[in-house]
This record gives sequence, structure tokens and C-alpha cells, in this order.
Amino acid sequence: QVQVVDSGGGVVHPGRSLRLSCATSGLNISKFAMHWVRQAPGKGLEWVAVVSLNGTRTEYADSVKGRFTIFRDNSKNTLHLQMDSLRFEDTALYYCAVASPTRHWGQGTLVTVSS
Amino acid sequence: DIVMTQSPDSLAVSLGERATINCRSSQSLLYTSNNKNYLAWYQKKPGQPPKLLIYWASTRDSGVPDRFSGSGSGTDFTLTISTLQAEDVAVYYCQQYFSIPPTFGGGTKVEIK
Repeated sequence: QVQVVDSGGGVVHPGRSLRLSCATSGLNISKFAMHWVRQAPGKGLEWVAVVSLNGTRTEYADSVKGRFTIFRDNSKNTLHLQMDSLRFEDTALYYCAVASPTRHWGQGTLVTVSS
Repeated sequence: DIVMTQSPDSLAVSLGERATINCRSSQSLLYTSNNKNYLAWYQKKPGQPPKLLIYWASTRDSGVPDRFSGSGSGTDFTLTISTLQAEDVAVYYCQQYFSIPPTFGGGTKVEIK
């Protein structure tokens, strides 16, 4: 059975950093591109970032480009999102998503940027 | 980036009646070499991650009830719930995966009338 578990969220001041993690089991993530998707309070789904199968290629939403870094460790079946220079507007529930379209999602980890 | 536009923003449907949600993309999602439309539909309920309902515009994911169906090609797509059940109350999103970034529509909230 496939399990995807997001972690690392919390409350952080603007300008600070946070690292999200996604642990998977029951599938070999080296076969899939991996994504982060977020949902701000009361808003819709927003794609954040993707990393290629071997981790050499990454793409980012304009809203996070230059501040967030997505990376993966296929040996540990894990995905990460390093979030630097956080802004109020980064407040959201962040989901790890396996491939696109996405059948397997994490349960989400909440990031709150607040002073 | 491909822009996805959903309509309506919300709709209220009586139990057992049909619900229809539309999604339009700013460019064609049809890849001619394989004749597939790179369009998915998701159901999102509060406190839960999105659930994949439909991919390739019309293929139901495993375990999805057959009252959910997807249609359309190119730039215009539709999700239909043939007979609305109480458990179908949710927000529905379309997503294109033709190109990066894989953009979502704004969502359509489905409620019971």
C-alpha cells in the first residue's frame, strides 16, 4: 500500500526559512517526477515546484522562484522543499504529489508565515 | 503558462440530478502524436488531499464511481456527475499536465440544492 507523509510545517516569521519533507513507502519514487502543490486558506490549488526523476532538473512557480528549492533522495524515497525568505503569502497547506496527474498525495503540512 | 478557466465558480444541484462543470484551457491540450488530451479532474474535500477522478480527459481512475465522467478535447472539457450524491459535495479542479507548470483551474464548488 502506498503511503505519502508530509512533514516540517510550522509557524515562522517573515524572512525566515523552513524545510518540508515527504516520506513515501510502497512505491519507488525514482520512477516519478515529484511535485509540491499548495493551497492557501480559502484559495484554490497552486502548483509550486517539480523535480525530475533523477533530481537534475527542477522547475518552479514564478511566485517562489529564487526562494524555494526542491530536491529528492531516491535512496530514501524522500522529497524535500527548502523554503527561504518566506513571505506572508506563502502561508498555505503544502502537499507532496507523486507524478502528474497525481494519484498519490501527502496529507499536507501547514506552513504559517506570521509576525 | 497555460491558463485554465473553470465555470461556474459554484453550483447547487438537487440530489439525484446532474452536475456539469466546464474547463477551458488557453491552448490545446491534445498531443497529436498519441491523440491524448493531457487533462485531469480532481475532487477536493476539506481536510483531505485532492483525489484524482479522471485523467486523459475521460479515463476514470480506479475505484471512481461511474457517475463521474469526463469529456472534451483540445481546449474545452467537461466533468459530469450524472446523479449527484451527498458525498459528492466538494470543490472540483481541472488540471493540465501538457506542459510545465501543470496549472489548475480555479475550482468549482458543488453543493446540494
